[in-house]
Amino acid sequence: QKEVEQDPGPLSVPEGAIVSLNCTYSNSAFQYFMWYRQYSRKGPELLMYTYSSGNKEDGRFTAQVDKSSKYISLFIRDSQPSDSATYLCATVSGGYNKLIFGAGTRLAVHP
Amino acid sequence: EPEVTQTPSHQVTQMGQEVILRCVPISNHLYFYWYRQILGQKVEFLVSFYNNEISEKSEIFDDQFSVERPDGSNFTLKIRSTKLEDSAMYFCASSQDGLSYGYTFGSGTRLTVV
Repeated sequence: QKEVEQDPGPLSVPEGAIVSLNCTYSNSAFQYFMWYRQYSRKGPELLMYTYSSGNKEDGRFTAQVDKSSKYISLFIRDSQPSDSATYLCATVSGGYNKLIFGAGTRLAVHP
Repeated sequence: EPEVTQTPSHQVTQMGQEVILRCVPISNHLYFYWYRQILGQKVEFLVSFYNNEISEKSEIFDDQFSVERPDGSNFTLKIRSTKLEDSAMYFCASSQDGLSYGYTFGSGTRLTVV
């Protein structure tokens, strides 16, 4: 079983739509969860992180963790063409904080 | 905003050749990492480095790979004898305190082995 699973998409939405991106994970010991954004030919850029269960909001972005179902989500409100990128979920494993990434979901927001 | 700088942005090498990928981490960061992303696949952890030694490595990081911090600013990944399957984007990252939400990634080096 893969540690972090993510639907690669692609996902295409009109500008202004609410976007929902999701991942599942296998190990209930995972505690930290991150969302990264990756533009073409660039490195991952941290968007948000959450610890344990609950919601966290930052502007148009909301990250949600449901530990009972091992499900993590990122919601983007009022999506913009500049949000077009690949979104990677990640969790932390081990004592040296290595990241385990999902496959990434490619999002296209069209005007 | 401080950046992690990687050079070169693209490297083409022949199978069997040695390559060195270079990274300049953020200056006050103490923890350093290499990840790679084969085209169409996940970003995968290779190695972490702290206090001038490897703190953790993945099973991908076999004897053909090595890392070094030769001076106070550079952090390098050497692949001794490249294989076709080493073709990937290689990302360097650094962190001040080792907390994963404090990582900053570089833009990557695209390695093409022919």
